[in-house]
Amino acid sequence: NAGVTQTPKFQVLKTGQSMTLQCAQDMNHEYMSWYRQDPGMGLRLIHYSVGAGITDQGEVPNGYNVSRSTTEDFPLRLLSAAPSQTSVYFCASSRGVYTEAFFGQGTRLTVV
Amino acid sequence: DQQVKQNSPSLSVQEGRISILNCDYTNSMFDYFLWYKKYPAEGPTFLISISSIKDKNEDGRFTVFLNKSAKHLSLHIVPSQPGDSAVYFCAAISLYGNKLVFGAGTILRVKS
Repeated sequence: NAGVTQTPKFQVLKTGQSMTLQCAQDMNHEYMSWYRQDPGMGLRLIHYSVGAGITDQGEVPNGYNVSRSTTEDFPLRLLSAAPSQTSVYFCASSRGVYTEAFFGQGTRLTVV
Repeated sequence: DQQVKQNSPSLSVQEGRISILNCDYTNSMFDYFLWYKKYPAEGPTFLISISSIKDKNEDGRFTVFLNKSAKHLSLHIVPSQPGDSAVYFCAAISLYGNKLVFGAGTILRVKS
């Protein structure tokens, strides 16, 4: 029973590099989202999706892209990494926005 | 401008006593509220929720109270146990949005 799986768990990037954080869920949830957690800021929504083929921006979308080609997968792409993107990233899924969200274990990203 | 505020960064409580975690919100369109618990190096996990049509919801040792006129909710944990030591996030959803908005979190330490 995997739930929400994020890879990698840790990543160090150089400024300007690009990368994709992977997120997969096996619960057939329609709603998926990406958050970043920074000290004193809580969890801030980056992008979300209400179903395959549908994505929208959250509070802090700049510098990130997403796509949702399948129900299971919701990758987050960093286009050109900046030190301000150093953070812990969490992917979450739920049946709908008004239901319990299940979170992955997080990806700790450091941009140097 | 944080729409969900947890003004106490930390709280320390003796084992067996009551823990009260507070949360204030500014957006009057929020109509569903949730509490999540997070241990270090793990993703947040859902704890309890409340709809705006209720003023109280209980689940075992956890009770959430909602005061709509004051735009305030609180989470009561009775009795507190050392395993409750974690970061607690308050979150809210707007009636007309698809976005879950989190507070900054409160670190709870339960001393044995």
